Amino acid sequence: DGGITQSPKYLFRKEGQNVTLSCEQNLNHDAMYWYRQDPGQGLRLIYYSQIVNDFQKGDIAEGYSVSREKKESFPLTVTSAQKNPTAFYLCASSLRTANTEAFFGQGTRLTVV
Amino acid sequence: DAKTTQPTSMDCAEGRAANLPCNHSTISGNEYVYWYRQIHSQGPQYIIHGLKNNETNEMASLIITEDRKSSTLILPHATLRDTAVYYCIVRGTNAGKSTFGDGTTLTVKP
Repeated sequence: DGGITQSPKYLFRKEGQNVTLSCEQNLNHDAMYWYRQDPGQGLRLIYYSQIVNDFQKGDIAEGYSVSREKKESFPLTVTSAQKNPTAFYLCASSLRTANTEAFFGQGTRLTVV
Repeated sequence: DAKTTQPTSMDCAEGRAANLPCNHSTISGNEYVYWYRQIHSQGPQYIIHGLKNNETNEMASLIITEDRKSSTLILPHATLRDTAVYYCIVRGTNAGKSTFGDGTTLTVKP
């Protein structure tokens, strides 16, 4: 099936540890995105990538890092510098960044204790 | 990219049309209006998008005013499964700058 896959669905980590969230797509999309969602709120953009080996900061990039070594993959690392990492993280992809709809994964709920 | 304003919540009777408004008064000429919905704890689902003409697909219709400062998403026969948070966003050439607001929580009641 074509789509965008995030894993795992639930993730628990101890405070101070870095953690990497996986996002894979087989839609042959050029653009990929990471969003953060807190309870009762909308989505905020963390990072986005328009092509392989290129990415830009979104509105809340501090404490996060990404890589885009392959077209299919856009992993997000939540570093220990992120002060409030507990949140719902959503990955998305689109054919291009301009004027094309985005398709979302099912999200990873990260809890830091 | 332009910001959008949506009502916080709306109710709709099952089987009736649900009309969800969105204001985007600062939209620029090359920006599209997109609608997504999110059912609790899932990823948002794309519904429809448009530039200036009205659009219709199997899920919904999108009505954009002539001045493009507002739009309405219409679910013609709402079902209980349409209960979700609906997001209206505007998206131009730099889609990395699209902003999702808090959306409208639509509750479809039997």
